[in-house]
Amino acid sequence: KQEVTQIPAALSVPEGENLVLNCSFTDSAIYNLQWFRQDPGKGLTSLLLIQSSQREQTSGRLNASLDKSSGRSTLYIAASQPGDSATYLCAVRLQGSSNTGKLIFGQGTTLQVKP
Amino acid sequence: NAGVMQNPRHLVRRRGQEARLRCSPMKGHSHVYWYRQLPEEGLKFMVYLQKENIIDESGMPKERFSAEFPKEGPSILRIQQVVRGDSAAYFCASSRTPEQFFGPGTRLTVL
Repeated sequence: KQEVTQIPAALSVPEGENLVLNCSFTDSAIYNLQWFRQDPGKGLTSLLLIQSSQREQTSGRLNASLDKSSGRSTLYIAASQPGDSATYLCAVRLQGSSNTGKLIFGQGTTLQVKP
Repeated sequence: NAGVMQNPRHLVRRRGQEARLRCSPMKGHSHVYWYRQLPEEGLKFMVYLQKENIIDESGMPKERFSAEFPKEGPSILRIQQVVRGDSAAYFCASSRTPEQFFGPGTRLTVL
């Protein structure tokens, strides 16, 4: 059974710091991995999607990497800003016969960036 | 192109009543997914539908819950005889490619 874990559960940093959020998964047979942002009381915003054949994806100050063999992904945020404060979720989609499209989510990392 | 739309955004029901949650996918998307986020828990998959077909309902509780995605109109998640434990945020996502796009959610409160 695929399990997704995110560490740390919460993180507080001063503005301007570069930071790394971690996501690990137990079964390396994934189709893709997606990083989301969730603001309090709101829906999810897709940040980056990495296909299983890719090693990383970049969007602006965000960079996500994927190492399938070790079951890990990291989300790197450069020059953090108070507006980055939110909960960050990673989710994996299974491959093969289990690939019905459903996403399996981690519990999230709640980030606070202090001015 | 409007995003995924869900209504109502907030729904209050008394125990034993029915709850109907609606989801309109993004234009051109024929795949709809429902997820539930219980208080202090992560998002859990419930059901995956394509037009008029349920593809995967492995995350749906066996009783009281049902979902449909008719040929015309929005996808509906229906919860019969709601109990307090059904209080949660229910999110819908749609896709055409591997990337899923989420709606703002419906927050269900059962009194």
